[in-house]
Amino acid sequence: ETGVTQTPRHLVMGMTNKKSLKCEQHLGHNAMYWYKQSAKKPLELMFVYNFKEQTENNSVPSRFSPECPNSSHLFLHLHTLQPEDSALYLCASSSLAGEGDTQYFGPGTRLTVL
Amino acid sequence: AQSVSQHNHHVILSEAASLELGCNYSYGGTVNLFWYVQYPGQHLQLLLKYFSGDPLVKGIKGFEAEFIKSKFSFNLRKPSVQWSDTAEYFCAACRISGNTPLVFGKGTRLSVIA
Repeated sequence: ETGVTQTPRHLVMGMTNKKSLKCEQHLGHNAMYWYKQSAKKPLELMFVYNFKEQTENNSVPSRFSPECPNSSHLFLHLHTLQPEDSALYLCASSSLAGEGDTQYFGPGTRLTVL
Repeated sequence: AQSVSQHNHHVILSEAASLELGCNYSYGGTVNLFWYVQYPGQHLQLLLKYFSGDPLVKGIKGFEAEFIKSKFSFNLRKPSVQWSDTAEYFCAACRISGNTPLVFGKGTRLSVIA
């Protein structure tokens, strides 16, 4: 248990569905991250939030829409996804973004797009 | 572009064998270096990290890593592996300033057989 929780742990959705992934951190951190983990590829950074402000959008398609209402919560809204978007989506948090601080990861949401 | 290379995709060892996993990073400047581990079905967790000081870093579960600046390397070692070390190991690097992201290698899968 790292203090970062993610729900749901598994999600199956069709290409026309809209769903959201939720992440919550209980570590008092100010930075939160979304990563995509696909088989045989490095972890891909998707979004970074520092003090609720988005500081990085790593050329992610607009069908992924992040939301950070406060420093403890991070959402990833999904709509009209493609089968190639099937992957493990990981949330992480750290004290600050951009300072090389240790990131703590949640268990991930295993997403399958049919 | 900044990158982290892990040379071995899959390593198979017998219990009690010694382990060394290679990691090289591509960029200069002052960096923070990390090894994360992902046990089957579990979340990414920090194994050890190097920020500054003694280049030989000791982590949890008997792991250690050595930072060799001249070789841009941060290899992970363990003198005697156990079956419970079966997992995927990720090296990561980040510049300590300049708002640069944490960059991960592709990971090395370690299988320890009895």
